[in-house]
Amino acid sequence: QQQVKQSPQSLIVQKGGISIINCAYENTAFDYFPWYQQFPGKGPALLIAIRPDVSEKKEGRFTISFNKSAKQFSLHIMDSQPGDSATYFCAARVKGNAGNMLTFGGGTRLMVKP
Amino acid sequence: GAVVSQHPSRVICKSGTSVKIECRSLDFQATTMFWYRQFPKQSLMLMATSNEGSKATYEQGVEKDKFLINHASLTLSTLTVTSAHPEDSSFYICSARDQWDRGIGETQYFGPGTRLLVL
Repeated sequence: QQQVKQSPQSLIVQKGGISIINCAYENTAFDYFPWYQQFPGKGPALLIAIRPDVSEKKEGRFTISFNKSAKQFSLHIMDSQPGDSATYFCAARVKGNAGNMLTFGGGTRLMVKP
Repeated sequence: GAVVSQHPSRVICKSGTSVKIECRSLDFQATTMFWYRQFPKQSLMLMATSNEGSKATYEQGVEKDKFLINHASLTLSTLTVTSAHPEDSSFYICSARDQWDRGIGETQYFGPGTRLLVL
Protein backbone atom coordinates (compact mmCIF):
# COMPACT_ATOMS: atom_id res chain seq x y z
CA GLN A 1 0.00 0.00 0.00
CA GLN A 2 1.52 3.25 -1.13
CA GLN A 3 0.84 5.82 1.54
CA VAL A 4 2.20 8.76 -0.43
CA LYS A 5 1.26 8.98 -4.09
CA GLN A 6 3.41 11.14 -6.30
CA SER A 7 2.78 12.40 -9.82
CA PRO A 8 3.86 12.68 -12.52
CA GLN A 9 6.45 9.92 -12.78
CA SER A 10 8.41 11.98 -15.27
CA LEU A 11 8.35 15.60 -16.34
CA ILE A 12 10.00 17.57 -19.11
CA VAL A 13 10.16 21.34 -18.78
CA GLN A 14 11.82 24.01 -20.86
CA LYS A 15 14.48 26.16 -19.25
CA GLY A 16 12.87 29.06 -17.46
CA GLY A 17 9.57 27.26 -17.04
CA ILE A 18 7.77 26.13 -13.90
CA SER A 19 8.07 22.51 -12.77
CA ILE A 20 5.18 21.23 -10.67
CA ILE A 21 5.20 17.93 -8.83
CA ASN A 22 2.25 16.74 -6.79
CA CYS A 23 1.83 14.40 -3.85
CA ALA A 24 -1.22 13.10 -2.04
CA TYR A 25 -1.53 11.21 1.19
CA GLU A 26 -4.17 9.48 3.27
CA ASN A 27 -2.66 9.17 6.72
CA THR A 28 -3.74 12.18 8.78
CA ALA A 29 -1.06 11.34 11.34
CA PHE A 30 1.64 12.66 9.02
CA ASP A 31 3.06 15.83 10.52
CA TYR A 32 6.06 16.71 8.41
CA PHE A 33 6.43 16.82 4.62
CA PRO A 34 9.91 17.13 3.10
CA TRP A 35 11.01 17.09 -0.51
CA TYR A 36 14.26 15.48 -1.55
CA GLN A 37 16.36 15.90 -4.67
CA GLN A 38 18.45 13.00 -5.90
CA PHE A 39 21.03 12.99 -8.67
CA PRO A 40 22.03 9.69 -10.33
CA GLY A 41 24.29 7.60 -8.15
CA LYS A 42 23.91 9.93 -5.16
CA GLY A 43 21.90 9.91 -1.99
CA PRO A 44 18.85 12.14 -1.60
CA ALA A 45 19.36 15.67 -0.33
CA LEU A 46 16.74 17.64 1.56
CA LEU A 47 15.40 20.43 -0.59
CA ILE A 48 12.61 22.00 1.41
CA ALA A 49 10.09 20.89 4.01
CA ILE A 50 6.82 22.03 5.51
CA ARG A 51 4.55 21.36 8.46
CA PRO A 52 0.76 21.10 8.01
CA ASP A 53 0.07 24.28 9.95
CA VAL A 54 1.48 26.32 7.06
CA SER A 55 -0.08 26.52 3.59
CA GLU A 56 3.01 27.61 1.70
CA LYS A 57 6.75 27.79 2.14
CA LYS A 58 9.19 29.37 -0.25
CA GLU A 59 12.96 29.03 -0.39
CA GLY A 60 14.55 30.66 -3.39
CA ARG A 61 13.10 29.12 -6.54
CA PHE A 62 11.45 26.28 -4.63
CA THR A 63 7.96 26.53 -3.13
CA ILE A 64 5.86 23.97 -1.31
CA SER A 65 2.10 24.44 -1.41
CA PHE A 66 0.17 22.49 1.19
CA ASN A 67 -3.57 21.77 1.22
CA LYS A 68 -4.42 20.09 4.48
CA SER A 69 -8.11 19.54 3.75
CA ALA A 70 -7.33 17.88 0.44
CA LYS A 71 -4.35 16.04 1.90
CA GLN A 72 -2.19 17.19 -0.96
CA PHE A 73 1.08 19.04 -1.28
CA SER A 74 3.13 20.10 -4.23
CA LEU A 75 6.57 21.33 -5.16
CA HIS A 76 6.95 24.22 -7.57
CA ILE A 77 10.31 24.98 -9.13
CA MET A 78 10.31 28.43 -10.65
CA ASP A 79 12.65 29.42 -13.48
CA SER A 80 13.67 25.79 -13.93
CA GLN A 81 17.27 25.24 -14.96
CA PRO A 82 19.05 22.28 -16.60
CA GLY A 83 20.91 21.79 -13.33
CA ASP A 84 17.57 21.04 -11.69
CA SER A 85 17.32 17.86 -13.75
CA ALA A 86 17.13 15.12 -11.13
CA THR A 87 14.68 12.81 -9.43
CA TYR A 88 12.49 14.43 -6.80
CA PHE A 89 10.85 12.57 -3.96
CA CYS A 90 8.16 13.81 -1.66
CA ALA A 91 7.97 12.22 1.75
CA ALA A 92 5.87 12.27 4.88
CA ARG A 93 6.60 11.46 8.46
CA VAL A 94 4.60 10.04 11.30
CA LYS A 95 6.23 10.77 14.59
CA GLY A 96 6.41 7.55 16.50
CA ASN A 97 8.54 5.03 18.25
CA ALA A 98 10.57 4.36 15.13
CA GLY A 99 12.33 7.66 15.53
CA ASN A 100 10.50 9.64 12.89
CA MET A 101 10.41 7.22 9.99
CA LEU A 102 9.86 8.73 6.53
CA THR A 103 7.50 7.35 3.90
CA PHE A 104 8.54 8.26 0.36
CA GLY A 105 6.52 8.88 -2.77
CA GLY A 106 7.40 7.06 -5.95
CA GLY A 107 9.59 9.82 -7.34
CA THR A 108 9.46 12.17 -10.32
CA ARG A 109 12.23 12.31 -12.88
CA LEU A 110 12.55 15.91 -13.99
CA MET A 111 14.36 16.90 -17.14
CA VAL A 112 14.84 20.56 -17.87
CA LYS A 113 15.67 21.20 -21.52
CA PRO A 114 18.03 24.05 -22.34
CA GLY B 1 25.33 21.17 7.16
CA ALA B 2 25.42 17.72 8.68
CA VAL B 3 27.34 15.11 6.72
CA VAL B 4 26.75 11.40 6.50
CA SER B 5 29.31 9.20 4.80
CA GLN B 6 29.07 5.66 3.51
CA HIS B 7 31.79 3.20 2.77
CA PRO B 8 32.36 1.68 0.34
CA SER B 9 30.72 3.72 -2.39
CA ARG B 10 30.49 0.66 -4.59
CA VAL B 11 31.32 -2.98 -4.16
CA ILE B 12 31.33 -6.02 -6.40
CA CYS B 13 31.31 -9.42 -4.77
CA LYS B 14 30.78 -13.05 -5.63
CA SER B 15 27.56 -14.81 -4.80
CA GLY B 16 27.67 -16.38 -1.34
CA THR B 17 30.01 -13.87 0.22
CA SER B 18 29.14 -11.28 2.86
CA VAL B 19 29.47 -7.55 2.41
CA LYS B 20 29.64 -4.90 5.12
CA ILE B 21 28.53 -1.33 4.48
CA GLU B 22 29.38 1.43 6.94
CA CYS B 23 27.35 4.54 7.62
CA ARG B 24 28.93 7.34 9.63
CA SER B 25 27.63 10.66 10.88
CA LEU B 26 30.66 12.91 10.63
CA ASP B 27 29.76 15.99 12.63
CA PHE B 28 26.80 15.02 14.75
CA GLN B 29 25.58 12.23 16.95
CA ALA B 30 22.85 9.98 15.65
CA THR B 31 20.86 7.83 18.03
CA THR B 32 18.78 6.68 15.08
CA MET B 33 19.91 5.66 11.63
CA PHE B 34 17.84 4.27 8.80
CA TRP B 35 18.78 1.86 6.04
CA TYR B 36 17.08 2.07 2.67
CA ARG B 37 17.26 0.07 -0.50
CA GLN B 38 16.67 1.58 -3.91
CA PHE B 39 16.29 -0.28 -7.20
CA PRO B 40 16.92 1.55 -10.48
CA LYS B 41 14.33 4.20 -11.23
CA GLN B 42 12.41 3.36 -8.09
CA SER B 43 11.78 5.00 -4.77
CA LEU B 44 13.56 4.39 -1.51
CA MET B 45 12.29 1.46 0.47
CA LEU B 46 12.97 1.47 4.18
CA MET B 47 14.64 -1.74 5.29
CA ALA B 48 15.24 -1.12 8.95
CA THR B 49 15.62 1.43 11.70
CA SER B 50 18.83 1.23 13.66
CA ASN B 51 18.97 2.52 17.21
CA GLU B 52 22.23 2.96 19.05
CA GLY B 53 22.75 0.29 21.64
CA SER B 54 19.69 -1.76 20.81
CA LYS B 55 18.40 -4.16 18.20
CA ALA B 56 17.33 -2.85 14.85
CA THR B 57 13.68 -2.74 13.86
CA TYR B 58 13.12 -4.38 10.49
CA GLU B 59 10.36 -3.60 8.04
CA GLN B 60 7.98 -6.33 6.99
CA GLY B 61 9.52 -8.62 4.43
CA VAL B 62 13.13 -7.78 5.27
CA GLU B 63 15.10 -10.78 6.53
CA LYS B 64 16.93 -9.76 9.67
CA ASP B 65 19.29 -12.74 9.46
CA LYS B 66 20.29 -11.75 5.96
CA PHE B 67 20.67 -8.03 6.56
CA LEU B 68 22.53 -7.68 9.83
CA ILE B 69 22.54 -4.22 11.34
CA ASN B 70 24.81 -3.05 14.12
CA HIS B 71 24.66 0.43 15.63
CA ALA B 72 27.47 0.25 18.14
CA SER B 73 28.13 3.96 18.55
CA LEU B 74 26.40 7.30 18.09
CA THR B 75 28.26 7.88 14.84
CA LEU B 76 28.42 4.47 13.19
CA SER B 77 25.93 1.93 11.91
CA THR B 78 26.80 -1.04 9.74
CA LEU B 79 24.73 -3.14 7.38
CA THR B 80 26.06 -6.58 6.53
CA VAL B 81 24.53 -8.42 3.62
CA THR B 82 25.19 -12.06 4.43
CA SER B 83 25.49 -14.75 1.77
CA ALA B 84 24.76 -12.22 -0.92
CA HIS B 85 23.01 -13.27 -4.10
CA PRO B 86 22.49 -11.46 -7.41
CA GLU B 87 19.00 -10.38 -6.37
CA ASP B 88 20.59 -8.43 -3.50
CA SER B 89 22.26 -6.15 -6.04
CA SER B 90 20.92 -2.69 -5.35
CA PHE B 91 21.72 0.81 -4.15
CA TYR B 92 21.83 0.91 -0.36
CA ILE B 93 21.40 4.27 1.33
CA CYS B 94 21.59 5.16 4.98
CA SER B 95 20.29 8.22 6.75
CA ALA B 96 20.91 9.58 10.21
CA ARG B 97 18.90 11.76 12.51
CA ASP B 98 20.68 14.34 14.63
CA GLN B 99 19.64 13.58 18.17
CA TRP B 100 19.84 17.26 19.11
CA ASP B 101 17.99 18.58 16.08
CA ARG B 102 14.76 20.08 17.30
CA GLY B 103 14.13 22.04 14.15
CA ILE B 104 11.22 21.81 11.78
CA GLY B 105 11.41 18.12 11.19
CA GLU B 106 14.31 16.64 13.00
CA THR B 107 15.87 16.25 9.63
CA GLN B 108 17.26 13.01 8.32
CA TYR B 109 20.59 13.43 6.58
CA PHE B 110 21.28 10.95 3.83
CA GLY B 111 24.51 9.28 2.91
CA PRO B 112 25.76 9.12 -0.69
CA GLY B 113 24.74 5.49 -1.07
CA THR B 114 26.56 2.23 -1.76
CA ARG B 115 26.16 0.42 -5.04
CA LEU B 116 26.28 -3.34 -4.49
CA LEU B 117 26.68 -5.72 -7.40
CA VAL B 118 26.62 -9.42 -6.68
CA LEU B 119 27.93 -11.62 -9.46
